[in-house]
Amino acid sequence: DTEVTQTPKHLVMGMTNKKSLKCEQHMGHRAMYWYKQKAKKPPELMFVYSYEKLSINESVPSRFSPECPNSSLLNLHLHALQPEDSALYLCASSQDWGQAISGNTIYFGEGSWLTVV
Amino acid sequence: AQSVTQLDSHVSVSEGTPVLLRCNYSSSYSPSLFWYVQHPNKGLQLLLKYTSAATLVKGINGFEAEFKKSETSFHLTKPSAHMSDAAEYFCVVKSNTGKLIFGQGTTLQVKP
Repeated sequence: DTEVTQTPKHLVMGMTNKKSLKCEQHMGHRAMYWYKQKAKKPPELMFVYSYEKLSINESVPSRFSPECPNSSLLNLHLHALQPEDSALYLCASSQDWGQAISGNTIYFGEGSWLTVV
Repeated sequence: AQSVTQLDSHVSVSEGTPVLLRCNYSSSYSPSLFWYVQHPNKGLQLLLKYTSAATLVKGINGFEAEFKKSETSFHLTKPSAHMSDAAEYFCVVKSNTGKLIFGQGTTLQVKP
């Protein structure tokens, strides 16, 4: 099973709201990721967690706050977002992080569509 | 530094005809290469990957890709297109830090 599950599938929030996106995997992967994808563009890396510790923050604004409660779960807390933050947010996972390990494939979830109004 | 270029932003084929999506890469070492597909309003699904084993890689749904080091290419092919193949396709190289480097994507249109 190579499934990464994301909830909710769709989220509409105002600029003063606080909401969270959730991601779960049961493949025993130790690396988890958040990507942001705008329409007609490739995904852009936001955060990488390795062994439940934040390894990479691609200079993401602080209104996005990631959290990794355990090795299977990854959250993205959202607060005071801007309309330009509207996008598809993709969670992904892989066995390990940090090297181009042969066979270390990154698996993506279906994504959460976020609209900021 | 690693990079990837998808040579066509849009490819249109008729159902039942061959598909060719072109990808060139740049890497200073033996790369890990991937093709992902994204159907409308969906996440990314792995089609196939190359990790320095056989140069001809077979993937899901009848797709395959050939790694050609001399041409720095990793083109995706399928003998016969199906309507359900209409989607966005991303060629991806993994950097030496583990980050995925995406091409700009190729939209595949399949006409009946």
